[in-house]
This record gives sequence, structure tokens and C-alpha cells, in this order.
Amino acid sequence: DSGVTQTPKHLITATGQRVTLRCSPRSGDLSVYWYQQSLDQGLQFLIQYYNGEERAKGNILERFSAQQFPDLHSELNLSSLELGDSALYFCASSTGGTSGAPYEQYFGPGTRLTVT
Amino acid sequence: AQSVTQLDSQVPVFEEAPVELRCNYSSSVSVYLFWYVQYPNQGLQLLLKYLSGSTLVKGINGFEAEFNKSQTSFHLRKPSVHISDTAEYFCAVISSDSSYKLIFGSGTRLLVRP
Repeated sequence: DSGVTQTPKHLITATGQRVTLRCSPRSGDLSVYWYQQSLDQGLQFLIQYYNGEERAKGNILERFSAQQFPDLHSELNLSSLELGDSALYFCASSTGGTSGAPYEQYFGPGTRLTVT
Repeated sequence: AQSVTQLDSQVPVFEEAPVELRCNYSSSVSVYLFWYVQYPNQGLQLLLKYLSGSTLVKGINGFEAEFNKSQTSFHLRKPSVHISDTAEYFCAVISSDSSYKLIFGSGTRLLVRP
């Protein structure tokens, strides 16, 4: 158990809909990363938050957004869903560079999104 | 831009045989390298990491990797595999910007046969 939790585990929804994926980082970790794993794109970095603020953006679509709340949990919002958004979405957390091992990221179990 | 190449998409091997999963990276700056394992229907688990120091890194479950700067490689090895090692293995590098985000290779599926 990495200490990172993600809910829900599975999500099935229709095209055009909007969903929210939730992530709770390990206790004490300030940084949260979101990654997408799909068959055609592999594992890709989407976005990073550090202590409530966006720090880095990767290949994240404009239809997707995220935020990190004061209690450090994070949510990834996916809207106007398309079939191609079906993927496994991972959240990872780390200390973020202020202490400990900033380079070690601990991954949650993922949320499998299926868009029909 | 940094990138990671995993040369083999699938590696079949018999139980108790040795295995090597290959990983090459491209970077013009200092690198921090990782191997993660993903068991079926599970998340990613850190196997081992290279940050600095000894180029031979030992990880969990009997795996080890060797950092070779001249060949820009970070191959993963295990002297004797078990059926339970069947999984997807990902090599990754930390980005050189301040985000510390991971850049992953395409993965290698290790298939251990009895």
C-alpha cells in the first residue's frame, strides 16, 4: 500500500459527460501528479500541483482541469468526454522538493475510466 | 527534450532463468532514473532508483540495475525470475525542470513461463 488513495476505482460514463476523479496523497506529501495511461499513448504526465498551486502542465487537454485543495487532496475534472479519453488515470504524490526525497513518487491504484 | 526508450515490448523467459530488461535515456543534464513495476490491474510500484553514487542499484524483489553514463543506459536485471514477476516494467527519468515529473518509457512486459 503506497498510502495514496484514489476514488472511484472504476468509472463508466457516456460521451459528452463530465466526471471527477479524486486523489488523496500520502500523509505529509505536498505535491500531487496526475498521469494518464492508455494503450496508444502509454504513461503520460498531465499536471502537477504543489501545496495548492499548479506547478507544471504536460499533455493535458483543455477539456481537463485539476485543483488541489487546502487539505492537499486533488481532483481531476474531465469534461465533454470522448471515447479516446478512456484510460487509466493515476495520481502520485511526493514531498515536492522541500524535504525528504523529492524524486520519489508514490502512485495510487488508479481510476479506470471507460467512455461509451 | 528528455526521453526514455525501452527496446523490448515483451520479454518471455522461463522460471528461474536470468532476465535483463533494457532501458536507454536521452538527456543533456544530470539524470535521476527509476524502474517501476505494474502488476495486472494494479498501480505502479517503485522497484529501484538511481540518484547518485554507486552505479549498481539494488531494489526490491531481487532486482538490480546498473547506471551506465557513457551508454546512457539503465538496464534492469534479475538473476532468477519467478512466475510472480510477470508484470509490466517501466523505466522512467525525472524531468530536468523543477516539477520533478516522471517521463516514462513505453514499458516492457515480462512474461515468466513455468
